[in-house]
Amino acid sequence: QSALTQPASVSGSPGQSITISCTGTSSDVGSYNLVSWYQQHPGKAPKLMIYEVSKRPSGVSNRFSGSKSGNTASLTISGLQAEDEADYYCCSYAGSSTFPYVFGTGTKVTVL
Amino acid sequence: QVQLQESGPGLVKPSETLSLTCTVSGGSISSYYWSWIRQPPGKGLEWIGYIYYSGSTNYNPSLKSRVTISVDTSKNQFSLKLSSVTAADTAVYYCARRVRFGHYMDVWGKGTTVTVSS
Repeated sequence: QSALTQPASVSGSPGQSITISCTGTSSDVGSYNLVSWYQQHPGKAPKLMIYEVSKRPSGVSNRFSGSKSGNTASLTISGLQAEDEADYYCCSYAGSSTFPYVFGTGTKVTVL
Repeated sequence: QVQLQESGPGLVKPSETLSLTCTVSGGSISSYYWSWIRQPPGKGLEWIGYIYYSGSTNYNPSLKSRVTISVDTSKNQFSLKLSSVTAADTAVYYCARRVRFGHYMDVWGKGTTVTVSS
């Protein structure tokens, strides 16, 4: 199972909106509405930001939103803030038989 | 709220077995799936496997021959064993909780660094 493809880096100015893509296949992203997104600050553990494509856990800012079209999922951060600078990883369910979870390659978000 | 804490040796010799434990506090280990995920230095996340509190497991096929995940409900702990380690197994190892009726990890431990070196 190959990793999901994400852009290596995305940048934006404070207040702007950015979108991170996560491209998989018809066996993972395309088959299930079970994509999650994680934020990871340097030296810290990942934090769940979005689950089941577009749902936000309690406590996560509504500036974070998720969507999916075909084999590609996306995370949008609106009103970009300095604290949003971090690495972001998508993760998709890929079926229960052999390899249920595949992560994305990761995207470094830089706030200019 | 639920907290997870990884523990175990930070240095393991090549060809030996890496052993880590994750202690669950602030909640019960029952009714959830418990995962191990690792992150080599400067690289992305890799799912290792999970165990249900009842003991059923699922492993990453690329690691399956070397991985064992077990659970001790009496201690509210679950463990990872990775045999025949090499330098490629050097990573930060995270334990995480997967919700029972979903496919995402909602609670993570802080992670523990394991270096494979003689």
